[in-house]
Amino acid sequence: GQNIDQPTEMTATEGAIVQINCTYQTSGFNGLFWYQQHAGEAPTFLSYNVLDGLEEKGRFSSFLSRSKGYSYLLLKELQMKDSASYLCAGLPYGQNFVFGPGTRLSVLP
Amino acid sequence: DVKVTQSSRYLVKRTGEKVFLECVQDMDHENMFWYRQDPGLGLRLIYFSYDVKMKEKGDIPEGYSVSREKKERFSLILESASTNQTSMYLCASSSGGGHSYGYTFGSGTRLTVV
Repeated sequence: GQNIDQPTEMTATEGAIVQINCTYQTSGFNGLFWYQQHAGEAPTFLSYNVLDGLEEKGRFSSFLSRSKGYSYLLLKELQMKDSASYLCAGLPYGQNFVFGPGTRLSVLP
Repeated sequence: DVKVTQSSRYLVKRTGEKVFLECVQDMDHENMFWYRQDPGLGLRLIYFSYDVKMKEKGDIPEGYSVSREKKERFSLILESASTNQTSMYLCASSSGGGHSYGYTFGSGTRLTVV
């Protein structure tokens, strides 16, 4: 089956580092995506991993371990504007995206 | 700037009404999708289309239908709105070369059925 799990809510302090985990059970994903969604707005693409390892994009990095069914999104130097929901999405071979429930991150001053 | 445009940000409809949600993309994408998003449940796929005149059921198609007469437009239809269809509806598109470029989402339509 295809199931993606994420923590529902997280809280962190401005300037800190936060790691949002995502675990999945599937026979195979063609990629693992992270989206950011501010309240009342559309999700926007953040990062994409197709191979194991770390992808870095400025303050945001994403990691994937396919053998462990595990990914994380790492946010450094947190800013207030990073308060949003973060959606983990897997792409099974030959199928459409499967989305996790999303993690609502609150950044406190 | 590429865009997926949903015709309404907020809608209030009465139970039993026929509701049309419109989505237009200007990226010449082959693939288009309709999701609903509810707290704690994430995004759930209602219907999708990989080409004009083509439509496929997603995970929760009951109570919905779709229309894709032109490549750029994908419409979601609630045949007889019910209160359990109160939700945020998101349209998305992607290129036909595969989903490896991710989705571009519209801003969403928050539908309330009273």
